[in-house]
Amino acid sequence: SQQGEEDPQALSIQEGENATMNCSYKTSINNLQWYRQNSGRGLVHLILIRSNEREKHSGRLRVTLDTSKKSSSLLITASRAADTASYFCATDGGYQKVTFGTGTKLQVIP
Amino acid sequence: GAVVSQHPSWVICKSGTSVKIECRSLDFQATTMFWYRQFPKQSLMLMATSNEGSKATYEQGVEKDKFLINHASLTLSTLTVTSAHPEDSSFYICSARGTGRNTGELFFGEGSRLTVL
Repeated sequence: SQQGEEDPQALSIQEGENATMNCSYKTSINNLQWYRQNSGRGLVHLILIRSNEREKHSGRLRVTLDTSKKSSSLLITASRAADTASYFCATDGGYQKVTFGTGTKLQVIP
Repeated sequence: GAVVSQHPSWVICKSGTSVKIECRSLDFQATTMFWYRQFPKQSLMLMATSNEGSKATYEQGVEKDKFLINHASLTLSTLTVTSAHPEDSSFYICSARGTGRNTGELFFGEGSRLTVL
């Protein structure tokens, strides 16, 4: 079963614009992670935010977490064509299981 | 970061044959590995959790006898798709939990694309 739902399902923006993706989940978590997947490839870990954190930055990435609303957002600033990929949130409810959201397909137009 | 190697990256087989996919953690020990399945344009669905030295824990709806998982060492887990059929064609991805300073993070293999004719 999937824990998270992401929106939008697809997003198309111009290079240089910011891209925001949202993730909502259902049960309590230890941490939430964002991953990127290029078509037909494995996943690359982008950032992990723990349940006691509200915001985290990594380069052009900014992640927020609102545990009261069970939601997270990923912001990519000054997007580049190379950012074109699918982005997934993954929720970690404990040591055993990490489940993925439905994903957002981002297209950055040069 | 830690490296997870998955092999083969793609495989084509005839219906009825069995296919083994390997997942190795190259520079760390992974007591727990996860196997996911991904259909085109969809998200990753967790199939099973592989624990070193014990039986795998399968998700609801995943056939244990169909998808055999063996985690014989701290660096290797294998997924065997037995008597494969065309509906088993999919992208299979493994991941391992990081340790040490990477604790909590999942490291993914590059995936294995299975096509059953």
